[in-house]
Amino acid sequence: EAGVAQSPRYKIIEKRQSVAFWCNPISGHATLYWYQQILGQGPKLLIQFQNNGVVDDSQLPKDRFSAERLKGVDSTLKIQPAKLEDSAVYLCASSPWGTTGGGELFFGEGSRLTVL
Amino acid sequence: LAKTTQPISMDSYEGQEVNITCSHNNIATNDYITWYQQFPSQGPRFIIQGYKTKVTNEVASLFIPADRKSSTLSLPRVSLSDTAVYYCLVGPPTSISSGSARQLTFGSGTQLTVLP
Repeated sequence: EAGVAQSPRYKIIEKRQSVAFWCNPISGHATLYWYQQILGQGPKLLIQFQNNGVVDDSQLPKDRFSAERLKGVDSTLKIQPAKLEDSAVYLCASSPWGTTGGGELFFGEGSRLTVL
Repeated sequence: LAKTTQPISMDSYEGQEVNITCSHNNIATNDYITWYQQFPSQGPRFIIQGYKTKVTNEVASLFIPADRKSSTLSLPRVSLSDTAVYYCLVGPPTSISSGSARQLTFGSGTQLTVLP
């Protein structure tokens, strides 16, 4: 079974530039999550989709971050304009609908962003 | 939100059993306890989940006392490849939390280093 696919794996940009990350979840998984993981910290939920609707985006900095999940499958996370503090790994995860307890969440390998 | 406390780091030797304890004093009735493992440059990977007593799978065991205020992840006979960060998460099923995973908070985790 193919896992969660993310791209690009690495991205280096200057501050105030824009960047986009793409995620393809596991086939059939209705729920998709974007997490931000700063070096030395645990992942922090940014946004959660159920099919193509937003379940929770309360921790997404909406002045610069946006995300969409068109057609309820692939998702894109965009940052515009980027700040130095956005340097982090952006993790995409997916799960089947109606999971018990905390998951299981299936994570991709992440996209590492460096803002200079 | 149920807050978790874990040791920052632990060292062990190959072949030993490792026990990582997580404190969650304000765990709610509906909360489950879930453990994830994360290797460098990879996304977290689900290890085990439980609600009470003991859960065992092919990878680990999870011990939860009757008061559920703590839990212990047990890794039998660790090898060098078990060196990773281990996260303890506490939260309700998404079917109860209005579907949001925001309450499933990753802390800073426990860095386990297995020595030869």
